[in-house]
Amino acid sequence: AQKITQTQPGMFVQEKEAVTLDCTYDTSDPSYGLFWYKQPSSGEMIFLIYQGSYDQQNATEGRYSLNFQKARKSANLVISASQLGDSAMYFCAMREAFNTGGFKTIFGAGTRLFVKA
Amino acid sequence: GAVVSQHPSWVICKSGTSVKIECRSLDFQATTMFWYRQFPKQSLMLMATSNEGSKATYEQGVEKDKFLINHASLTLSTLTVTSAHPEDSSFYICSALRRGGNQPQHFGDGTRLSIL
Repeated sequence: AQKITQTQPGMFVQEKEAVTLDCTYDTSDPSYGLFWYKQPSSGEMIFLIYQGSYDQQNATEGRYSLNFQKARKSANLVISASQLGDSAMYFCAMREAFNTGGFKTIFGAGTRLFVKA
Repeated sequence: GAVVSQHPSWVICKSGTSVKIECRSLDFQATTMFWYRQFPKQSLMLMATSNEGSKATYEQGVEKDKFLINHASLTLSTLTVTSAHPEDSSFYICSALRRGGNQPQHFGDGTRLSIL
């Protein structure tokens, strides 16, 4: 069974510093996708970054980078130069394909990030 | 960018009534739609996945007869909470996916359901 684990329920970071949010996953499927989403207090889900299981390089999107360590089954999110607007809930998610051609995506428990001025 | 419209955003109704929530992908065809439930300060719990041309696949523990999902077209999916009770009160979020496994899911803004 697939499983996503985020072990940090809450994190504090000083403005302008970098922060790493942890995510580990468990799957027996060789093909999968890993995603990070941000959910501000307003509730909408905002896509941040994607990493495919076959991608050789770590994904980067602006201030976001994904530290993908396939052998360890970890996909940590690194936010550089934190901003006050980064304060939100962050979810790691994994998507696998069904044999029938569809997809299934599950989410980790989330990490609440607080950026201090 | 891709937009997913979810309606209504908030509904309050009496116990025993049925509530329908609509999810539309406005500018793309969604081959897969997901329905999630989120409790306060908790993660998104996948309820069911609805793929193009097939019936919804429900997660273990989710009652199919309670939560009816219809993927009527490539741009519309509905979730009907039948005979709703107070324990069904929650935040329900739909998500739509274009064809291709490496696409990000686009989320609706959610529906806050309160059953009195």
